[in-house]
Amino acid sequence: SQTIHQWPATLVQPVGSPLSLECTVEGTSNPNLYWYRQAAGRGLQLLFYSVGIGQISSEVPQNLSASRPQDRQFILSSKKLLLSDSGFYLCAWSGVAIRNEQFFGPGTRLTVL
Amino acid sequence: GQQVMQIPQYQHVQEGEDFTTYCNSSTTLSNIQWYKQRPGGHPVFLIQLVKSGEVKKQKRLTFQFGEAKKNSSLHITATQTTDVGTYFCAGASSGSARQLTFGSGTQLTVLP
Repeated sequence: SQTIHQWPATLVQPVGSPLSLECTVEGTSNPNLYWYRQAAGRGLQLLFYSVGIGQISSEVPQNLSASRPQDRQFILSSKKLLLSDSGFYLCAWSGVAIRNEQFFGPGTRLTVL
Repeated sequence: GQQVMQIPQYQHVQEGEDFTTYCNSSTTLSNIQWYKQRPGGHPVFLIQLVKSGEVKKQKRLTFQFGEAKKNSSLHITATQTTDVGTYFCAGASSGSARQLTFGSGTQLTVLP
């Protein structure tokens, strides 16, 4: 069966510090991968998605970036965090078939102080 | 770009009452999905609707997809405390079938 891992679960970082969040998927090949951000009590904002290694599409211009160095690894990064980067970051994957439901990881709760 | 609006934002019901959340898209959708997020948790897929006018049921949950494939609803009959959480709809347009636009969610509180 497929599983998706995210770490860390929680993170507190000072403004201006770098960020690296990692997501890995097991049990599937060539998944579509997604990064979302969810502000407290709000909906899901799609940040990046990837259909293959090295292929990244950005949905919202900001100080975040994403990379996919391996088929089942998706990394979210920032060189300098802003206060507004605080939120709940969710990684998700979907298959390549017509049915495209997404499966979410447990998320990382980021607080920027 | 595609927008998906969802109402209401919050809903408080007494246990045993019914609950409905509505979703409207600015564009025609190829399919619509529903997710549930428990407090402190991550969204979990509930169902996908593909056909115009489609109705699907999961126990006390009834999902509908509009004839024009631009709106959808989720109805819960006789709510229970286990139904607490935020319900999201997510629409996929025909141009990018694997990319979903999520509604803002309806946060359901069930009072015992």
